Amino acid sequence: EVQLVQSGAEVKRSGESLRISCKGSGYSFTAYWIGWVRQVPGKGLEWMGIIYPSDSDPKYSPSFQGQVTISADKSISTAYLQWSSLKASDTAMYYCARRLAAAGVNDVFDIWGQGTMVTVST
Amino acid sequence: DIVMTQTPLSSPVTLGQPASISCRSSQSLENSDGNTYLSWLQQRPGQPPRLLMYKISNRLSGVPDRFSGSGAGTDFTLEITRVEAEDVGVYYCMQATQFPYTFGQGTKLEIK
Repeated sequence: EVQLVQSGAEVKRSGESLRISCKGSGYSFTAYWIGWVRQVPGKGLEWMGIIYPSDSDPKYSPSFQGQVTISADKSISTAYLQWSSLKASDTAMYYCARRLAAAGVNDVFDIWGQGTMVTVST
Repeated sequence: DIVMTQTPLSSPVTLGQPASISCRSSQSLENSDGNTYLSWLQQRPGQPPRLLMYKISNRLSGVPDRFSGSGAGTDFTLEITRVEAEDVGVYYCMQATQFPYTFGQGTKLEIK
């Protein structure tokens, strides 16, 4: 079965660091981009960035550049989203999603992870 | 960034009746490769988003054919011919023509 399985919910304090993960299985991990999307409770979806695990070169949405780090370890088919110093405003659900690395499929994010809820207290 | 604007933001619909959601982009979504990267996603309560349509009108495998997409340039529409109870949720349009990709605000579909 093709799936993206994300790490479990996290409760942290402001200023702490955190890394959450997204593990792909059932497909060739290096043949797909992995994107990260934020959803603040009760709000809409926001693109954070995307990474191609084959070369691990991330692209960030301007709103998230410098705020988070996206990385990937193709040897274990896992992508990561990390913060060096969390803020209360980082409290949100975070989703990963995959997209085939091919021409003409920019918008085909066909498999999504179940989401990781991050709660940051002050 | 390309701004995506959806209307309505809330759509109460009677079961078995049609529903329509509009999405307008702040600039044309036609890419230099000739494709228009406009997709529609559904998010049921408590669930992750799910891709329904891509490149305006292509239905992902497994998506019921009561869902259809249309449009071009800056104006797009998602239509449901006969709403079923399982269609309740929030619908988002998303553009992937220009990075950063952007979503519409979401349209909440609910049953009257």
